[in-house]
Amino acid sequence: DAGVIQSPRHEVTEMGQEVTLRCKPISGHNSLFWYRQTMMRGLELLIYFNNNVPIDDSGMPEDRFSAKMPNASFSTLKIQPSEPRDSAVYFCASSYPGSATNEKLFFGSGTQLSVL
Amino acid sequence: RKEVEQDPGPFNVPEGATVAFNCTYSNSASQSFFWYRQDCRKEPKLLMSVYSSGNEDGRFTAQLNRASQYISLLIRDSKLSDSATYLCVNNAGNMLTFGGGTRLMVKP
Repeated sequence: DAGVIQSPRHEVTEMGQEVTLRCKPISGHNSLFWYRQTMMRGLELLIYFNNNVPIDDSGMPEDRFSAKMPNASFSTLKIQPSEPRDSAVYFCASSYPGSATNEKLFFGSGTQLSVL
Repeated sequence: RKEVEQDPGPFNVPEGATVAFNCTYSNSASQSFFWYRQDCRKEPKLLMSVYSSGNEDGRFTAQLNRASQYISLLIRDSKLSDSATYLCVNNAGNMLTFGGGTRLMVKP
């Protein structure tokens, strides 16, 4: 299994531009999570999906952030417009059915986002 | 107060030493706990789960003290390859909350 796949690995953009981060969870996993990691705030949960349905998006910073999961094998996190304070590593993670409390998360390699 | 708190370190220890990290949590409804390991510029990976009083896996021992609301991770006979950031995680209400991590540096 290839694991959780994220793209791009690195993204450098200018303030005001739209940024789209992509994630392919592990096949068969039914929960998908988007996290953001910074030195100051550590790992923060932004949103998670269960069976493609958004369950908790209380961690999404503001309306500039949106996430979708159109099918079981693909999710996007979009920032529009981007701001320098959005610079961080964005991780996608998935967990499998039967992991009733979403205990074991499998993380992707992350997207390093830099907004200039 | 953060829900999960850790000493950020770094803990600098010589190879072969025993080192322990503590992690405190504020949510008394927390059901289970985990230690994740994160190497520099890499993703976090599950190291150990802690369901009841503790768990042992080779050189690693995790203990839970519900009365005092803390979890510890003990690493015996430290190896250079143990150098990483160790993230304490609690599970409450079907959600995982990560601590800020403790950085460990094992020196030759």
